[in-house]
Amino acid sequence: QQQVKQSPQSLIVQKGGISIINCAYENTAFDYFPWYQQFPGKGPALLIAIRPDVSEKKEGRFTISFNKSAKQFSLHIMDSQPGDSATYFCAAIPGYRGGSEKLVFGKGTKLTVNP
Amino acid sequence: EPEVTQTPSHQVTQMGQEVILRCVPISNHLYFYWYRQILGQKVEFLVSFYNNEISEKSEIFDDQFSVERPDGSNFTLKIRSTKLEDSAMYFCASRKDRASYEQYFGPGTRLTVT
Repeated sequence: QQQVKQSPQSLIVQKGGISIINCAYENTAFDYFPWYQQFPGKGPALLIAIRPDVSEKKEGRFTISFNKSAKQFSLHIMDSQPGDSATYFCAAIPGYRGGSEKLVFGKGTKLTVNP
Repeated sequence: EPEVTQTPSHQVTQMGQEVILRCVPISNHLYFYWYRQILGQKVEFLVSFYNNEISEKSEIFDDQFSVERPDGSNFTLKIRSTKLEDSAMYFCASRKDRASYEQYFGPGTRLTVT
């Protein structure tokens, strides 16, 4: 199954709060899991990414949590700011093991951070 | 910081016309991609290109589509006879080498077919 399921579709958070976006996958050949941030009218920008051999990766206020056995991964945005308001996409790449280098995207989560 | 650039930012064309979308990938990158995003939907893979060859393509990338790297810097997507359903944002992406999976996207070209 070459799908990545993302939830929620939209999320409203108060400034300073924690934003959590979840993704799930079926294909165990997926080997790389990036998150992209997209502002209206712009291209997706790589935010943070993780490989399946680690359970967590943190970069500043952004953290990916990865649960290999559950085939789930999530993005946590700590101390959310109005400037974080954007659409966030999770994605996965099957990689060389899976015979493909294409990004498979989730449907996106529109995050709104209220001041 | 190096970035992927795309031209034009917006292209309006009539159904049946040919369009060429242009991309300049990051200069030392070896792998190139086209994706598209229909308004309000997820980003979908079209094609990947390496060493002057298509390495993978999706079901969307039919005979109406072609890609080319005409020189050392440009990477183009041609749609031979556009359809209304080709209206979308088209994103070019590039990746440095085999060892890294990170794909960096350009700002996109909005294609409107009337």
